[in-house]
Amino acid sequence: EPEVTQTPSHQVTQMGQEVILRCVPISNHLYFYWYRQILGQKVEFLVSFYNNEISEKSEIFDDQFSVERPDGSNFTLKIRSTKLEDSAMYFCASSPHDPNTGELFFGEGSRLTVL
Amino acid sequence: GENVEQHPSTLSVQEGDSAVIKCTYSDSASNYFPWYKQELGKRPQLIIDIRSNVGEKKDQRIAVTLNKTAKHFSLHITETQPEDSAVYFCAAFPTGGADGLTFGKGTHLIIQP
Repeated sequence: EPEVTQTPSHQVTQMGQEVILRCVPISNHLYFYWYRQILGQKVEFLVSFYNNEISEKSEIFDDQFSVERPDGSNFTLKIRSTKLEDSAMYFCASSPHDPNTGELFFGEGSRLTVL
Repeated sequence: GENVEQHPSTLSVQEGDSAVIKCTYSDSASNYFPWYKQELGKRPQLIIDIRSNVGEKKDQRIAVTLNKTAKHFSLHITETQPEDSAVYFCAAFPTGGADGLTFGKGTHLIIQP
């Protein structure tokens, strides 16, 4: 069964460093998302991406964050100048349809630890 | 934007008993309500969903009900088993998807043997 894959599974970085989290969505999916889950808390929406551009973004997704689909398969989240509070599990998700009509498929997540 | 409240935060039931988790939402434009199960350290996985044109949906031991007037929806798990132990998240998705899925804070379901 096709899956959303994410790398790395865990990254440790120093405060102020840049981090790139990578995702390979399911191949025929059209909508892509990044969510964040701080340890023990709920899953929070960061950004959605469709047709090679950002569709929506939350107030969490400030200028520190950017997303890119550099080729036909990868979908990346870049965090510039990481802060301690960026430590969280970051989930990529994809959907074949507008989520009004279909489910989201989540990757296994990338755990980011900022020291 | 949408706000989803979920209760209880922790629920402990005896194996074989039923479990009910409740959520309320604020945006009357929301029309898609999925439930996700998340085991420790793993991804959220969709277990059931319901759309606003349906009042109830059932899949084996799992059912979801939706009351659009009251803006609440519930997850019912019958004949609970140890493997049902996990964190369950409800979510709501408004028409237009302004902020993607909005999740509740989660319910830690513990099945006591």
